[in-house]
Amino acid sequence: EPEVTQTPSHQVTQMGQEVILRCVPISNHLYFYWYRQILGQKVEFLVSFYNNEISEKSEIFDDQFSVERPDGSNFTLKIRSTKLEDSAMYFCASTSPRSGQGNEKLFFGSGTQLSVL
Amino acid sequence: AQSVTQLGSHVSVSEGALVLLRCNYSSSVPPYLFWYVQYPNQGLQLLLKYTSAATLVKGINGFEAEFKKSETSFHLTKPSAHMSDAAEYFCAVNTGNQFYFGTGTSLTVIP
Repeated sequence: EPEVTQTPSHQVTQMGQEVILRCVPISNHLYFYWYRQILGQKVEFLVSFYNNEISEKSEIFDDQFSVERPDGSNFTLKIRSTKLEDSAMYFCASTSPRSGQGNEKLFFGSGTQLSVL
Repeated sequence: AQSVTQLGSHVSVSEGALVLLRCNYSSSVPPYLFWYVQYPNQGLQLLLKYTSAATLVKGINGFEAEFKKSETSFHLTKPSAHMSDAAEYFCAVNTGNQFYFGTGTSLTVIP
């Protein structure tokens, strides 16, 4: 089965530093997502991306966050100035071109564990 | 607003016993419902999904779930637990391009 790839698997950074989390979605998918999971808590939606723009974002996704699809294959999440509470597992996901009907599954990457010190 | 509630953050069963993980949903429109599993240090994998074709949905690894509109439930079951079933299980609802996840249930299988 095709896979969503995320790098790095672990990222340690100092508070206030910028981080970029990278994802390579499945090649023919058009809808892309970032989710995060703080340890012991639920998986939370951050942002969805379609047709080179943000289609929806949660209130977690404030001005410190941005997403980009710089080259047609990568999908990145940038946190400009990290805070301690940004420490979490960040999951990238993508879904197929027929999405919009709600019945297509999300394909998830294995996640990037971000630790902010 | 769409949401899912998973009752029981931790469930323990003996190997060979019935597994029952509960999920209730709230949706203003007919929902698409999913169960995902997360093994340690891995991403979320789809177990099964309900898309209105049949109320009883069979998934991978012997799991199944039944959609009950009257109870707004989509509980996950497996007749006989295996040690390899130990993982975190998430129920999710999708009514468009947006997935809403429950808080997850951690399943422990006791030998």
